[in-house]
Amino acid sequence: QQQVKQSPQSLIVQKGGISIINCAYENTAFDYFPWYQQFPGKGPALLIAIRPDVSEKKEGRFTISFNKSAKQFSLHIMDSQPGDSATYFCAASKEGYQKVTFGIGTKLQVIP
Amino acid sequence: DAMVIQNPRYQVTQFGKPVTLSCSQTLNHNVMYWYQQKSSQAPKLLFHYYDKDFNNEADTPDNFQSRRPNTSFCFLDIRSPGLGDAAMYLCATSTDGPTDTQYFGPGTRLTVL
Repeated sequence: QQQVKQSPQSLIVQKGGISIINCAYENTAFDYFPWYQQFPGKGPALLIAIRPDVSEKKEGRFTISFNKSAKQFSLHIMDSQPGDSATYFCAASKEGYQKVTFGIGTKLQVIP
Repeated sequence: DAMVIQNPRYQVTQFGKPVTLSCSQTLNHNVMYWYQQKSSQAPKLLFHYYDKDFNNEADTPDNFQSRRPNTSFCFLDIRSPGLGDAAMYLCATSTDGPTDTQYFGPGTRLTVL
């Protein structure tokens, strides 16, 4: 019930291409879905987040798509750049729970 | 800048020798977390504090202890480090709000010889 399943675990994308990372969850009580970006040797940092009352949220080149009925959400990185090379974690939490359930992570490599 | 600070950034200890990692925050957040992250894995929550209330995860070994003497500081004590405890230890904070966004420190890389 608390799992968040993330795929793929690794992804190689050409510069300028679209990177897509998918996540699925089981617990319908989750009401907040953040994505974290982690560079090697650094702590994760919040990239973008969405609530289930909207189907899409866009911030610059980063877009979250959310499908409440399918219990799935995904991160799209448009015009991917080598500087986007990092590990991306999807996550889920519920208000007042204070804890976040992380996906396994996706290591993205953007090649020139 | 308001931030989460962890010290030291790198810690080398010997098998069985106690070690303490520290975390401080200037965000005035009431929730503080300790995570263990091993290579190519997601952060694993060890425990968290909501103000002074300590919440231990069921699968956190007794070897791991924590202290939070005030709002700003939190410590992770590893009483008898084993080789399997070598990892990145991440401190994070959050407010008790609807978003539960967590703000992570840079981590402490622990090596056990």
